[in-house]
Amino acid sequence: QKEVEQNSGPLSVPEGAIASLNCTYSDRGSQSFFWYRQYSGKSPELIMFIYSNGDKEDGRFTAQLNKASQYVSLLIRDSQPSDSATYLCAVTRGQAGTALIFGKGTTLSVSS
Amino acid sequence: GAVVSQHPSWVICKSGTSVKIECRSLDFQATTMFWYRQFPKQSLMLMATSNEGSKATYEQGVEKDKFLINHASLTLSTLTVTSAHPEDSSFYICSASAGTGATGYTFGSGTRLTVV
Repeated sequence: QKEVEQNSGPLSVPEGAIASLNCTYSDRGSQSFFWYRQYSGKSPELIMFIYSNGDKEDGRFTAQLNKASQYVSLLIRDSQPSDSATYLCAVTRGQAGTALIFGKGTTLSVSS
Repeated sequence: GAVVSQHPSWVICKSGTSVKIECRSLDFQATTMFWYRQFPKQSLMLMATSNEGSKATYEQGVEKDKFLINHASLTLSTLTVTSAHPEDSSFYICSASAGTGATGYTFGSGTRLTVV
């Protein structure tokens, strides 16, 4: 069974802190990795994607990928109350363009 | 950017009736469409993958005769929930891709189905 595992949380951080979200996946064939943000009753919004080992930064967000450990993480710097949402980790079932398999999501709460 | 229009956004139907959900790619050719279902406080569960002009590939445990998927053109895919029952009540979301090797996935806005 190909799975994507996330800690469901809730993860609570104070405003301005760094939020660290983690994800592990079981399929070594997965080649593309995504982080989405989802609000209740809404469709997922893309935060970042990463294909290569290492770090990728985009504004306050940094995605980290370690294929050997089958581990993906998302760091949110200077967390804001508006960042409060459920964060979904998703990996492709193989190469880019194949189906995305989602984790159960981590609920982040940023308090002001 | 790429847009997928999903309709209806919400629907209430009586048990035993069928409901059709449409996803249209407005400004790109959706070679592949993925259909997901999400129950409250759960993640998106992949139901099926459809390629334009081909039969859909269903995930294990998803009844292909109950969830009919049609992907007759590069811009339109439909999911029909046949003989709906209360346990089919869920949030259904489509996601379009320009095909294998494509780097982007465009999600529809989702359809909230309530079967009474």
